[in-house]
Amino acid sequence: DTAVSQTPKYLVTQMGNDKSIKCEQNLGHDTMYWYKQDSKKFLKIMFSYNNKELIINETVPNRFSPKSPDKAHLNLHINSLELGDSAVYFCASSPGWGGNTEAFFGQGTRLTVV
Amino acid sequence: AQSVTQPDIHITVSEGASLELRCNYSYGATPYLFWYVQSPGQGLQLLLKYFSGDTLVQGIKGFEAEFKRSQSSFNLRKPSVHWSDAAEYFCAVGTGTASKLTFGTGTRLQVTL
Repeated sequence: DTAVSQTPKYLVTQMGNDKSIKCEQNLGHDTMYWYKQDSKKFLKIMFSYNNKELIINETVPNRFSPKSPDKAHLNLHINSLELGDSAVYFCASSPGWGGNTEAFFGQGTRLTVV
Repeated sequence: AQSVTQPDIHITVSEGASLELRCNYSYGATPYLFWYVQSPGQGLQLLLKYFSGDTLVQGIKGFEAEFKRSQSSFNLRKPSVHWSDAAEYFCAVGTGTASKLTFGTGTRLQVTL
């Protein structure tokens, strides 16, 4: 029974396409995130949502649009994909809001743009 | 802004040997500190965390870490490494009221038999 699940696990697409990644958590958490891990394994926050409200947007291009239909879901839609978008995208959730809260991560979605 | 430095990109140890992975942070106030592990093709799993109190914290899989404010460090240790510990290890800091983690660049651990 996966706590934070993402689909798909792998995504290969051509430049210019639009794609979505879905995330669901069954932990009852109020806060959800998207992180990006680049080819050098560096992890960086993209977005944070608390109770479906966007709280943090870390200067991510407008082509990336997160959507939270309810507290258990946070999807990521990417328009006009570029080669530089190739990365592993991790969804995460946490029970609270603040620096002292543990994040639970999904398995990641490896996006390859060709 | 806060930052995290993991000076060692890659470490190789023999199975059964002790391990120490280094982590230094930069933050003006008391940080919240985490160690995560990422096995190949997997997500991140929390090993341990420090928020306050005892500066030596115990985690899962036999790992421990010590917070040293004077050195701005939070090094991860394990007395005897197992081959299954081979993975990427990330140190992270959470700060104040901002609900986000700032990660270090990771240390890749290789275990030889």
